[in-house]
Amino acid sequence: DQQVKQNSPSLSVQEGRISILNCDYTNSMFDYFLWYKKYPAEGPTFLISISSIKDKNEDGRFTVFLNKSAKHLSLHIVPSQPGDSAVYFCAASGSGNTPLVFGKGTRLSVIA
Amino acid sequence: ETGVTQSPTHLIKTRGQQVTLRCSSQSGHNTVSWYQQALGQGPQFIFQYYREEENGRGNFPPRFSGLQFPNYSSELNVNALELDDSALYLCASRREGYQETQYFGPGTRLLVL
Repeated sequence: DQQVKQNSPSLSVQEGRISILNCDYTNSMFDYFLWYKKYPAEGPTFLISISSIKDKNEDGRFTVFLNKSAKHLSLHIVPSQPGDSAVYFCAASGSGNTPLVFGKGTRLSVIA
Repeated sequence: ETGVTQSPTHLIKTRGQQVTLRCSSQSGHNTVSWYQQALGQGPQFIFQYYREEENGRGNFPPRFSGLQFPNYSSELNVNALELDDSALYLCASRREGYQETQYFGPGTRLLVL
């Protein structure tokens, strides 16, 4: 049973518009939530994270929102650029030494 | 500061064989984790090493084993390879206590025929 779900396998967005990637989780023990970006032939690259005590974290064009009651988080990219085209993974972990649990990923295509 | 490196980049094996994959952690990182990413799936946690000892393991059979060396580099060994072991194997390192940020290597793509 998947604890972290990314229900949209792919997303296509026009350059300059907003990209919204969604992620749901089932385990209420998760404390940290992270987004990774992955290009072909490369490992996942850390993008942005959020602690469960916050509901928003912003870093430049990237903002992550966390809704704990709904067990839902989303990544907003504004404005979207062609270089943002990649697979985005949502991941979660508990406190202490627990490992990351990943979703299946969403492939974002930003069209010029 | 060097990043996480993995070798080899690609590997082809046959069923029943054994394979060893290698990882060099990012400088200053003392914790290394291994993940398996099958096609169309997200990375799945295999195990984690801290100070040369395994201190966490995912739902993988004992034929998946590992080592961490004093310089924090690591190996993943898989015995009795099966077709389903075909996947991208990712190594990630972090400083102990910095749970929220792991740095991944480019991975080793293993094909089992």
